[in-house]
Amino acid sequence: KNQVEQSPQSLIILEGKNCTLQCNYTVSPFSNLRWYKQDTGRGPVSLTIMTFSENTKSNGRYTATLDADTKQSSLHITASQLSDSASYICVVSGLDAGNQFYFGTGTSLTVIP
Amino acid sequence: NAGVTQTPKFRILKIGQSMTLQCTQDMNHNYMYWYRQDPGMGLKLIYYSVGAGITDKGEVPNGYNVSRSTTEDFPLRLELAAPSQTSVYFCASSLDRVFAYGYTFGSGTRLTVV
Repeated sequence: KNQVEQSPQSLIILEGKNCTLQCNYTVSPFSNLRWYKQDTGRGPVSLTIMTFSENTKSNGRYTATLDADTKQSSLHITASQLSDSASYICVVSGLDAGNQFYFGTGTSLTVIP
Repeated sequence: NAGVTQTPKFRILKIGQSMTLQCTQDMNHNYMYWYRQDPGMGLKLIYYSVGAGITDKGEVPNGYNVSRSTTEDFPLRLELAAPSQTSVYFCASSLDRVFAYGYTFGSGTRLTVV
């Protein structure tokens, strides 16, 4: 069964600290993986997208990594800011008949001063 | 470009009532989707469309209907609303289904059925 699991479910960190969010998936065959940031009450906004051949991609203070062999991805946030408080959703796209997207349940990040 | 626009932002329905959630995009995307997001759950696909005149069921289509008469618009119809349909609904669009560059979400419609 194609699934996407994220950990931790929630995380609280101090402003200025770094953190890493995890995404494990079983989707096969794999097309691409994206990380989205969803502010409370808003729609998800894309942070990064990686295909099979890409190992890392950065977007400002956000760096995503992908290990397609172990089917794991991580999102590293550097020097966190209060505005980073949000849910971070991992989305994996498969190459199955319906070209389905598989969503993780998200990690809720709270950055406190 | 406005991107993906959803209306209304909030709505309260009584059990058995019907309503249409509106979604429009101005990016000339062929692919459009409707998702629902329940608390603590991932986004689940309700219906999607690969182009005008073509729609298909997603993971949780029961209780909903859609139409795609134009490239821009993809309304979601709830018939006989039930409390289980209380959720936040997101419309999205993308240029390409497989690689999904330009996959954009609307800001959501929070629906409560009482």
